[in-house]
Amino acid sequence: DTEVTQTPKHLVMGMTNKKSLKCEQHMGHRAMYWYKQKAKKPPELMFVYSYEKLSINESVPSRFSPECPNSSLLNLHLHALQPEDSALYLCASSQPRHNTGELFFGEGSRLTVL
Amino acid sequence: GQNIDQPTEMTATEGAIVQINCTYQTSGFNGLFWYQQHAGEAPTFLSYNVLDGLEEKGRFSSFLSRSKGYSYLLLKELQMKDSASYLCAVKRERYSTLTFGKGTMLLVSP
Repeated sequence: DTEVTQTPKHLVMGMTNKKSLKCEQHMGHRAMYWYKQKAKKPPELMFVYSYEKLSINESVPSRFSPECPNSSLLNLHLHALQPEDSALYLCASSQPRHNTGELFFGEGSRLTVL
Repeated sequence: GQNIDQPTEMTATEGAIVQINCTYQTSGFNGLFWYQQHAGEAPTFLSYNVLDGLEEKGRFSSFLSRSKGYSYLLLKELQMKDSASYLCAVKRERYSTLTFGKGTMLLVSP
């Protein structure tokens, strides 16, 4: 079982909808990430939060809005998405300044935009 | 920027040994990871190299040469369940972010 939990596992939404993806970890990690993965492609970094502060935004469109309410939670708010935004959205966490900085991934939220 | 290359697909037979290569060109290198990803599932950590040499962990070993910008993942005694995508990822110096290669789809046949 993964120690990073993502909900929902599947989401279908229209282009005018507002929805949110949620991620939770209880490993005491202080860095959390959102990655986007299209079919047969590698994960691509979207956002990084370090100690609850946004540290990296990889030029992600504003229709994706991240939020880190506390050290255990990470949200991704979705609004006015496009069909090309359909993908698997992976949340990950790590311990900053740990010797390996290994990322622990959740099982992902599969998003379909109609 | 970072450029990471690995073969797109490989096939091997159950019980055999396979080596998956990864070459990279990057600034600010701070380690190289290998992840395994089964279809529709999250990537799972296999190995980490930051110094030159071989790291062995059961049936899996990973090698790194920083001067050559080269790594490989060696899988021994292949099993059917090893059929998956294998992702090479380079770690940036800051924030522990990883940049992934395109992945190598390994198919193990009986």
